[in-house]
Amino acid sequence: GESVGLHLPTLSVQEGDNSIINCAYSNSASDYFIWYKQESGKGPQFIIDIRSNMDKRQGQRVTVLLNKTVKHLSLQIAATQPGDSAVYFCAEKAGNNRKLIWGLGTSLAVNP
Amino acid sequence: EAQVTQNPRYLITVTGKKLTVTCSQNMNHEYMSWYRQDPGLGLRQIYYSMNVEVTDKGDVPEGYKVSRKEKRNFPLILESPSPNQTSLYFCASSFSQIGDTGELFFGEGSRLTVL
Repeated sequence: GESVGLHLPTLSVQEGDNSIINCAYSNSASDYFIWYKQESGKGPQFIIDIRSNMDKRQGQRVTVLLNKTVKHLSLQIAATQPGDSAVYFCAEKAGNNRKLIWGLGTSLAVNP
Repeated sequence: EAQVTQNPRYLITVTGKKLTVTCSQNMNHEYMSWYRQDPGLGLRQIYYSMNVEVTDKGDVPEGYKVSRKEKRNFPLILESPSPNQTSLYFCASSFSQIGDTGELFFGEGSRLTVL
């Protein structure tokens, strides 16, 4: 498949384990955050979002945690499966700014 | 099936030869955008459009043009491609302004090589 980035941070986990992917953001005015998953050879796919008035949001097998004090966002994937292998991007948006600011991504490798 | 369709998926061209990458969405989305993705640089926005006949520059608009004559189509035009425009390009659409609905739908990508 196509590589989407060189020297990406890589997280390697065993199938069935929980994964935690971290993202630090710099703009304290950011009030909306999104996680995307990009599988090899495909476009990014929305996973979950969270607004700054929340600390935690859960989806199917995924949980996003937001710590505004230290400007940190994390994506937790429960019972990681081989199909979860992908590059994960966090993105942030501040107020009325129409643009998303994208992180560089983290590569998740799931070992069978 | 709801989708964003880009064409071509792969293209090799030469410097200076004008090309257009088409993008079409069937979800009646108002917002459309073009990104380029390069190793180590992540996703960078080229242009975006809030609605028909409304377009605006993103972070890296130089060397590109867009148009939004119809709601469903948002072509990316490279009038005189150069090697530094070799990249993986993604078109994306959303129902409304980012932050209102959150979800951007991406196309499968167009791999462009300029020799």
